[in-house]
Amino acid sequence: DSGVTQTPKHLITATGQRVTLRCSPRSGDLSVYWYQQSLDQGLQFLIHYYNGEERAKGNILERFSAQQFPDLHSELNLSSLELGDSALYFCASSVDGDIQYFGAGTRLSVL
Amino acid sequence: GQSLEQPSEVTAVEGAIVQMNCTYQTSGFYGLSWYQQHDGGAPTFLSYNALDGLEETGRFSSFLSRSDSYGYLLLQELQMKDSASYFCAVRDNAGNMLTFGGGTRLMVKP
Repeated sequence: DSGVTQTPKHLITATGQRVTLRCSPRSGDLSVYWYQQSLDQGLQFLIHYYNGEERAKGNILERFSAQQFPDLHSELNLSSLELGDSALYFCASSVDGDIQYFGAGTRLSVL
Repeated sequence: GQSLEQPSEVTAVEGAIVQMNCTYQTSGFYGLSWYQQHDGGAPTFLSYNALDGLEETGRFSSFLSRSDSYGYLLLQELQMKDSASYFCAVRDNAGNMLTFGGGTRLMVKP
């Protein structure tokens, strides 16, 4: 167990809908990172938050947004969903960025 | 920007040694990490190299040559449970993001 909690584990929704993925980092970790992994693909960095502030953005679509709350949990919001958004979404937390601890992921299926 | 290249697949037999390579091109380099991911599972951290040389952790070793922009992960005494994908990743200087390679899928055969 990495100590990083992601909910829900699975999400099935329809095109055009909006969903929210939630991540609770390890106790004491101020950084939260979000990644997308499509079928048989590598991990694509989406966004990084540190202690409530956005630190870096990767190839994140404008339809996607995220935030980190005062209790350090983070949410990734995906809107106007398309079939191609179906993927595994991971969050990871870290103290210093050298080692990242990943949650079990949320598997999103857009039908 | 940053890019990393890894062979897509490697096959080895139980008990053998396997080396998985990673070459990278980065605008700023701070360290090379290795992660293991079983099918359907989450990536888990294996090793990190910030300086040239070999880091050993049990059956796993990782090597870095900064002058060659090259690293490798070495697995000894292969076990069936080592069948997984292995990703190398580089972090930017600010620690704001990790860029992952495409991963090497390791298949261990009896």
